[in-house]
Amino acid sequence: KNEVEQSPQNLTAQEGEFITINCSYSVGISALHWLQQHPGGGIVSLFMLSSGKKKHGRLIATINIQEKHSSLHITASHPRDSAVYICAVRSSTDKLIFGTGTRLQVFP
Amino acid sequence: DSGVTQTPKHLITATGQRVTLRCSPRSGDLSVYWYQQSLDQGLQFLIQYYNGEERAKGNILERFSAQQFPDLHSELNLSSLELGDSALYFCASSPRTVTEAFFGQGTRLTVV
Repeated sequence: KNEVEQSPQNLTAQEGEFITINCSYSVGISALHWLQQHPGGGIVSLFMLSSGKKKHGRLIATINIQEKHSSLHITASHPRDSAVYICAVRSSTDKLIFGTGTRLQVFP
Repeated sequence: DSGVTQTPKHLITATGQRVTLRCSPRSGDLSVYWYQQSLDQGLQFLIQYYNGEERAKGNILERFSAQQFPDLHSELNLSSLELGDSALYFCASSPRTVTEAFFGQGTRLTVV
């Protein structure tokens, strides 16, 4: 079993839909990152969370430390949101452990 | 633009060869991380340096080594290359250890 599990693996949506991507982890962490990888391969760090909730534009990330679970929400999705979204946790030994990613496609 | 620069962007080399990938972190960032992303393995953490010293080690093969220089740039050395080493290699930097990391665009290594 992977230490970081993401769901769903693949997600398709119509433009404007509300999207949720989930991440569960089984190790002790000091922080959790949400990353976005575009089709060209480049990786952008979206959020780093250690508690609560963060919002940036149409993106919202939440984390529940007790339940070892985080969610990434995209409101009013747009085709340019199409990418792979990766959850990564920073372990107590400062290693980043990655989920396998969620491939999102948003159609106009 | 994240401010992290990786060179080269693409590299094609033969099995058995040795290559060096270079990473220049954002100005002032002390931590540098190296990751490998292959088609079948996803993103894997290789190694972290903090202010010139090795801080954490992940799934890095013995054929691979890295270092961080006094000017904080880092190099990842891959030797005795195998076909399975073909992957995207990312470098990321952060100001301290548990902070947001900024990724470079990656070096795509193809071993033929």
